[in-house]
Amino acid sequence: GAVVSQHPSWVICKSGTSVKIECRSLDFQATTMFWYRQFPKQSLMLMATSNEGSKATYEQGVEKDKFLINHASLTLSTLTVTSAHPEDSSFYICSARGTSGQISHEQFFGPGTRLTVL
Amino acid sequence: QKEVEQNSGPLSVPEGAIASLNCTYSDRGSQSFFWYRQYSGKSPELIMFIYSNGDKEDGRFTAQLNKASQYVSLLIRDSQPSDSATYLCAVFMEYGNKLVFGAGTILRVKS
Repeated sequence: GAVVSQHPSWVICKSGTSVKIECRSLDFQATTMFWYRQFPKQSLMLMATSNEGSKATYEQGVEKDKFLINHASLTLSTLTVTSAHPEDSSFYICSARGTSGQISHEQFFGPGTRLTVL
Repeated sequence: QKEVEQNSGPLSVPEGAIASLNCTYSDRGSQSFFWYRQYSGKSPELIMFIYSNGDKEDGRFTAQLNKASQYVSLLIRDSQPSDSATYLCAVFMEYGNKLVFGAGTILRVKS
């Protein structure tokens, strides 16, 4: 099946710093990538949808200037959490959807990145 | 009304029993339905997808879809303790070109 990787798998940073998370589709071209956030014991919350070469579409309530998304190629999307604060501590998960998959509309999930802001 | 609704549980079943997980959705035009399993601290993994009304079986898992009732379910036969996880129902919404997830049902299989 299709593989999506994320890096780093976990990160600890100081309040006020920025953190970049990478999401890569390893064996397929991801025309669309999604970024989710999940707090403990809560469901996935979609933050934004990005299409290769165009600006990301953010969900209501998500600050686009704080969560910068770049989808520069068909295999790479990045999420930068700018000026991170303790309330940004969460599990960030990306998923990717391509045009060559066997299953229409299926999204392949990365392993997630656990962010802790001190 | 939420777009995708699931009973949060927890649903507790004894080992070897059938676990039945249910999901309803609001968009009558939806065509694609997915069940994901998520272990604590891990990202979701796809178990099954279904497009057509009726049943679809894959090993111990059976997905059931009733578009008229806007209802999709997942049956797990011969439940094992390793099946204990949160099960997420996801529906593809054409208008947003995205999957919409339910809040998930916690399943606990007791040995």
